[in-house]
Amino acid sequence: DVKVTQSSRYLVKRTGEKVFLECVQDMDHENMFWYRQDPGLGLRLIYFSYDVKMKEKGDIPEGYSVSREKKERFSLILESASTNQTSMYLCASSLGGGRNSPLHFGNGTRLTVT
Amino acid sequence: AQSVTQLGSHVSVSEGALVLLRCNYSSSVPPYLFWYVQYPNQGLQLLLKYTTGATLVKGINGFEAEFKKSETSFHLTKPSAHMSDAAEYFCAVSSFSGGSYIPTFGRGTSLIVHP
Repeated sequence: DVKVTQSSRYLVKRTGEKVFLECVQDMDHENMFWYRQDPGLGLRLIYFSYDVKMKEKGDIPEGYSVSREKKERFSLILESASTNQTSMYLCASSLGGGRNSPLHFGNGTRLTVT
Repeated sequence: AQSVTQLGSHVSVSEGALVLLRCNYSSSVPPYLFWYVQYPNQGLQLLLKYTTGATLVKGINGFEAEFKKSETSFHLTKPSAHMSDAAEYFCAVSSFSGGSYIPTFGRGTSLIVHP
């Protein structure tokens, strides 16, 4: 079974801090995603990656960056955290290569910026 | 651009009653459609998916969904609700972008089950 692990369940950071959210998957999936989940807004795509060192902007990339140096790891970076980035962050992975496979999600990181 | 509309942010049913969660999509090409479920304090997990072929798709936990092209709908149903079905449900449509298939999610429907 695919396992997607997010390093932290809860994080509390201060405004202006640089924040790293880490995600690791163990099934050799090509695609990895970062979503943000807010009540009433559903899931919004921040960034995705379909290969090592490749990244594509999603719907709401402003204020975020990502890094994918290894196939199994996809990091989300908040360069200077702000209170409006308080949210639930979900990482996911899927098979690539043109295959329309479902996403496998981690359990999420709830980030609070004070 | 593809989009998904889930009608009703909350649906409340009694235990044993029919569950109907509505999803309509817009797509310029034959769609790939998914339903995911999110239990409290967890990530999303796949309930079922439609790609091609049979329009009635069966998923886990007794759920099923019917793809109706003429209505651009993919509603999720379960004949008899159980307390354990209380969760957030998301419909998603997949589109090809940037070298891979990228799902777009609806805003979610919270299913409340009363004893």
